[in-house]
Amino acid sequence: DVKVTQSSRYLVKRTGEKVFLECVQDMDHENMFWYRQDPGLGLRLIYFSYDVKMKEKGDIPEGYSVSREKKERFSLILESASTNQTSMYLCGVIVMNTEAFFGQGTRLTVV
Amino acid sequence: GESVGLHLPTLSVQEGDNSIINCAYSNSASDYFIWYKQESGKGPQFIIDIRSNMDKRQGQRVTVLLNKTVKHLSLQIAATQPGDSAVYFCASVHGNQFYFGTGTSLTVIP
Repeated sequence: DVKVTQSSRYLVKRTGEKVFLECVQDMDHENMFWYRQDPGLGLRLIYFSYDVKMKEKGDIPEGYSVSREKKERFSLILESASTNQTSMYLCGVIVMNTEAFFGQGTRLTVV
Repeated sequence: GESVGLHLPTLSVQEGDNSIINCAYSNSASDYFIWYKQESGKGPQFIIDIRSNMDKRQGQRVTVLLNKTVKHLSLQIAATQPGDSAVYFCASVHGNQFYFGTGTSLTVIP
C-alpha cells in the first residue's frame, strides 16, 4: 500500500497568514487530491492533480491554491487564511481508479 | 452531479451485537464502491470494497451489500467490538472521481 504523509497533524495560524500544507506519497502515483472535512458536510474536494503541474479545481477551490512540482508532493496553499478555513484537511492518492489512500489529516485552526 | 448520503449521523450498538450502516448514491454509472473507517484524529482507512457487478462481498467480520435497483449500499459489522467505534463512510467511484458520503459515527457500548 502507498503511504501518504502530511507534514503537520495540528496547526494554528492567524487570520491573513499564508499557510502551506504539505503532502507526500512514497510511490509514483499520478492522481493526488486535497479534501477538507467538516462536521455534517463530509469530505469536500478542494483540488485534484492528475500529474506534475496538472491540477483541476474541485468543489470548493476558493481561497486555496495548489502546487505539484514533483510527482510525490502535492501542496495546498491558503493564500490568506480566514477563520472559515478552520477544518480537517485530508490529502491522498488514488490508485488504479479503485482505491484512495489518505494521509493522517491536518487539523488547521485559524484564529 | 453525484451525491452520496442518507447516512444516519450516529449509531450506538451494544458490544457483541451486529451493526448495519447504510449509504445511498445517485449515479447509476458508479462502477465501484468503498467503505472507509476513520478513527478519531486519523485519516480514513479502507475497510472493504465492492464492484458494481456484485451484490455482496464479505471480509473479516464485515459484509458489504449492494442493491443497484435502489442505489443503496450497506456495511454490516458482525459482533461489534469497542475498537469498531469510529466514523464510517462510503464512497462511490466513477472513473477517477470519488464521491464520499458524510459518514455515520458508530459508538459501541460496553
